[in-house]
Amino acid sequence: AAGVIQSPRHLIKEKRETATLKCYPIPRHDTVYWYQQGPGQDPQFLISFYEKMQSDKGSIPDRFSAQQFSDYHSELNMSSLELGDSALYFCASSRPGLLETQYFGPGTRLLVL
Amino acid sequence: GQQLNQSPQSMFIQEGEDVSMNCTSSSIFNTWLWYKQDPGEGPVLLIALYKAGELTSNGRLTAQFGITRKDSFLNISASIPSDVGIYFCAGQPYSLIQGAQKLVFGQGTRLTINP
Repeated sequence: AAGVIQSPRHLIKEKRETATLKCYPIPRHDTVYWYQQGPGQDPQFLISFYEKMQSDKGSIPDRFSAQQFSDYHSELNMSSLELGDSALYFCASSRPGLLETQYFGPGTRLLVL
Repeated sequence: GQQLNQSPQSMFIQEGEDVSMNCTSSSIFNTWLWYKQDPGEGPVLLIALYKAGELTSNGRLTAQFGITRKDSFLNISASIPSDVGIYFCAGQPYSLIQGAQKLVFGQGTRLTINP
């Protein structure tokens, strides 16, 4: 079965640079979520989109922005990168309904030097 | 905000033993999910629970949605080496709005198995 696709899988950036992470949800899933997971931590919710509109916002820095496109893929844009932004970034997708379940992608490992 | 307290934080067991872990919260959750995560990989869904009191099995895994909607447990029977990993509970906070609800995660349980 098709899963959530994330690219790139690994990314190395310098401080103050920008990064763009991409997420392609499972086919027919119209909701996308972004999570950040620091070393040894649990995933923390950043932001979500439903039908191309922002649906919820968590602990996402103002330096980060995201959007969902007409084909339902989503991009997380990160600017003025800081050392503390080094983490695993996961995208999850779901198909909203009474029994909503989120399926996670393999993640993008971002290292800021 | 909503927080999930997951215990134990780590477990060291012998192959073939049964495992039990749980999550509790002071808040009500609509949905409880259990995920397994291998190092550097994304969480993989194990079991999803949608109704208070629901008991669901998936092979050697059994999970229950607490009747108060504030807790859940996961049991693994007859553990095998491939069960090694980090197990996370996750809940969707109670909301009158259906759909697109974020997940709140527990701190994780790291399972180590001695062959």
